[in-house]
Amino acid sequence: AQSVTQLDSHVSVSEGTPVLLRCNYSSSYSPSLFWYVQHPNKGLQLLLKYTSAATLVKGINGFEAEFKKSETSFHLTKPSAHMSDAAEYFCVVSDGNFNKFYFGSGTKLNVKP
Amino acid sequence: DADVTQTPRNRITKTGKRIMLECSQTKGHDRMYWYRQDPGLGLRLIYYSFDVKDINKGEISDGYSVSRQAQAKFSLSLESAIPNQTALYFCATSAPNRVRTSDTQYFGPGTRLTVL
Repeated sequence: AQSVTQLDSHVSVSEGTPVLLRCNYSSSYSPSLFWYVQHPNKGLQLLLKYTSAATLVKGINGFEAEFKKSETSFHLTKPSAHMSDAAEYFCVVSDGNFNKFYFGSGTKLNVKP
Repeated sequence: DADVTQTPRNRITKTGKRIMLECSQTKGHDRMYWYRQDPGLGLRLIYYSFDVKDINKGEISDGYSVSRQAQAKFSLSLESAIPNQTALYFCATSAPNRVRTSDTQYFGPGTRLTVL
């Protein structure tokens, strides 16, 4: 079975400081993992995805995530937060055939001036 | 123009009413999905469809039904709406993954439904 745990429901950082959003997964398959972002009153947008290629994945807007199989983690990071990064972030795992996608409960990122 | 559109964007209705939410896509994708989003719960899958003749229940299909009228259209119905169906509903599409290289989902802007 597949599942995702986002370890923090809210994260608050100051502008210009690093961002770390944590995600742990459980999967019966060799997983494919995604991070999506949802800005207020908007749909979800793909930030990045891991599909068994390089374990360090770079996405849009300076975000990246590292797949660590031994830790079953896929944490999202950014070296320097920007005010425009304030949004809700979802970690997602797919089943082995991309038939279904399992969402974490989300992490709301607040960026302080 | 947006690749995945949803209508209506907002709807307020009363308990017991029948409601239909519509989703259209111009991406040419075979797969379409309906999710609901509730605060603190992430997105939960209601129904998904791999083509016009292939429709499957998700984890929370009770109280909902769907219709895949064409490759580009996938509608979600609430036959008799109840207040705990108040939520944000998203439609999504994805391409078939025959070579397991990638399968990104593309989301519509969402429909905010309130059942009084």
